[in-house]
Amino acid sequence: DQQVKQNSPSLSVQEGRISILNCDYTNSMFDYFLWYKKYPAEGPTFLISISSIKDKNEDGRFTVFLNKSAKHLSLHIVPSQPGDSAVYFCAAKSKALGGSQGNLIFGKGTKLSVKP
Amino acid sequence: DAGVIQSPRHEVTEMGQEVTLRCKPISGHDYLFWYRQTMMRGLELLIYFNNNVPIDDSGMPEDRFSAKMPNASFSTLKIQPSEPRDSAVYFCASSFPDRGRGREQYFGPGTRLTVT
Repeated sequence: DQQVKQNSPSLSVQEGRISILNCDYTNSMFDYFLWYKKYPAEGPTFLISISSIKDKNEDGRFTVFLNKSAKHLSLHIVPSQPGDSAVYFCAAKSKALGGSQGNLIFGKGTKLSVKP
Repeated sequence: DAGVIQSPRHEVTEMGQEVTLRCKPISGHDYLFWYRQTMMRGLELLIYFNNNVPIDDSGMPEDRFSAKMPNASFSTLKIQPSEPRDSAVYFCASSFPDRGRGREQYFGPGTRLTVT
């Protein structure tokens, strides 16, 4: 039973356009959400995060939106660049998960391809 | 600053052999996580430590897997005996204590394990 779902395994976007990556979750106890980017043969790297008390967080070309009522978050990349081509993972954190601190639940990832 | 260091980067072994994966977390981080990534299951948490103490090992698939953290700068994940279905990329990650920002984890480059 996946608590964090990324329903699109892949996404292709033209350079300069907007990339929108989506993530849905089922656990209402999640209090923090993160996006990671992963290049081949490397570990995931932290990209941007958002607390459940906010609905938007922006960092340069990257913006994360959170819709708590829909249990949905999205990552917007504007403008998209070929170097953004990677696998993007959505992750969620809840202190209530088995009482553990800092445990992250990851989605299965979306592979983004930005074409020149 | 050095990031999370994992060794070896690649490991090929025969079924039944013992495999030991190693991790050096970022200095000052008090949480250490072991993940496994496969095509079928994505990125799944195996076990994590806080101040060298195992907190949650519910993700460890079976008794063939064990993990230790003898000190703040070193951890091992051991598989004995190994099986072909253990073939995956194993990531180690570490993080600082939560200071209200949410727990960002810093990943190592991973160890690609192939069991034949």
